[in-house]
Amino acid sequence: AQSVTQLGSHVSVSEGALVLLRCNYSSSVPPYLFWYVQYPNQGLQLLLKYTSAATLVKGINGFEAEFKKSETSFHLTKPSAHMSDAAEYFCAVVGFGSSASKIIFGSGTRLSIRP
Amino acid sequence: GAGVSQTPSNKVTEKGKYVELRCDPISGHTALYWYRQSLGQGPEFLIYFQGTGAADDSGLPNDRFFAVRPEGSVSTLKIQRTERGDSAVYLCASSWTSGQQETQYFGPGTRLLVL
Repeated sequence: AQSVTQLGSHVSVSEGALVLLRCNYSSSVPPYLFWYVQYPNQGLQLLLKYTSAATLVKGINGFEAEFKKSETSFHLTKPSAHMSDAAEYFCAVVGFGSSASKIIFGSGTRLSIRP
Repeated sequence: GAGVSQTPSNKVTEKGKYVELRCDPISGHTALYWYRQSLGQGPEFLIYFQGTGAADDSGLPNDRFFAVRPEGSVSTLKIQRTERGDSAVYLCASSWTSGQQETQYFGPGTRLLVL
């Protein structure tokens, strides 16, 4: 079965500092991986997705993630945090075979930005 | 353009009552998904439709939960004999078609509270 694990339920950084949100995956086949962001009282918005085309994936709002097979990781980064980045972030993997349309989400990491 | 819409945005009901949650997908999207997000958790898959038929209902927790999509557009998630443990945010998503690489677009969710 496929799964993702997000390390750290809460991350706090200063405005302008590097953002690093950690995600490790488990998959018996090459995975398709996603990062979603959820602002308060809003739906999930796709930040970026990895579909095996390139290991470094650039997303919206200055975020990017790097797929590292050797580490089974897909960490999300942003060079300089902005106050508007405060939100809940979810790493996710999509199933395969008969579950190819089912997204499996991690438990989420809440990102806080200090002024 | 219009995104995925869900009604009602909030629903409060009493234990044992019946509730219906509605989802309007993005026009033209053939695949529709339901997820449930409990407090402090990532969304969990419930069911997905390709057209009018339920292609995968493996996430429905028990037979009190049922979903329909009779005309291949709007979907209704139905919960019978609600229990306090059903309290959660119910998310709907749609995509152009089903498959691993398809981006799922999420609605804002319906927050269900069972008293």
